[in-house]
Amino acid sequence: DAKTTQPNSMESNEEEPVHLPCNHSTISGTDYIHWYRQLPSQGPEYVIHGLTSNVNNRMASLAIAEDRKSSTLILHRATLRDAAVYYCIQGLTDKLIFGTGTRLQVFP
Amino acid sequence: DAGITQSPRHKVTETGTPVTLRCHQTENHRYMYWYRQDPGHGLRLIHYSYGVKDTDKGEVSDGYSVSRSKTEDFLLTLESATSSQTSVYFCAISESPAKNIQYFGAGTRLSVL
Repeated sequence: DAKTTQPNSMESNEEEPVHLPCNHSTISGTDYIHWYRQLPSQGPEYVIHGLTSNVNNRMASLAIAEDRKSSTLILHRATLRDAAVYYCIQGLTDKLIFGTGTRLQVFP
Repeated sequence: DAGITQSPRHKVTETGTPVTLRCHQTENHRYMYWYRQDPGHGLRLIHYSYGVKDTDKGEVSDGYSVSRSKTEDFLLTLESATSSQTSVYFCAISESPAKNIQYFGAGTRLSVL
């Protein structure tokens, strides 16, 4: 079973920031927080991962709560191409357990 | 994009027939994975491999077998396909768990009638 909790869906307008929340209250000290996304009719795509500190890359930012029981994926300026299902996963890379994710809709 | 090729991309077969799906990579990554994706379930791990001839079961391995005789190829076999195995199958690769990134193929859509 997926160990994380995410909203089923979220909406955003194009060029606005998007904050996708994730709860992982059972996370252990060695579990990473991974985010993947899946565009329609494609395989999942890596977005970002982190352990304790906030992380930034060219796609997004990951803000991790101090107690590590929750995190937020931040898309700084949503585009239509960001419409996808976003998966938040806790654990080690060789044992990724995908839940049903958050479906993000982006409106022009 | 990571060099991952899944074949076939689409397949329709009948109940009781054997089916083999192939995942081929050109990245020389050690780890390879097979997932299935069904509505309402997200992706579920079937089997994975951590090296040539080294494989292990995932959470939904019943009815599936795998083989890895070369680094670049990971085969998923349904010995006797059932309608419950109708799904989209994804292959993934990773360099090592320490790298913390899996790269996914485009998927194979399998229908078992």
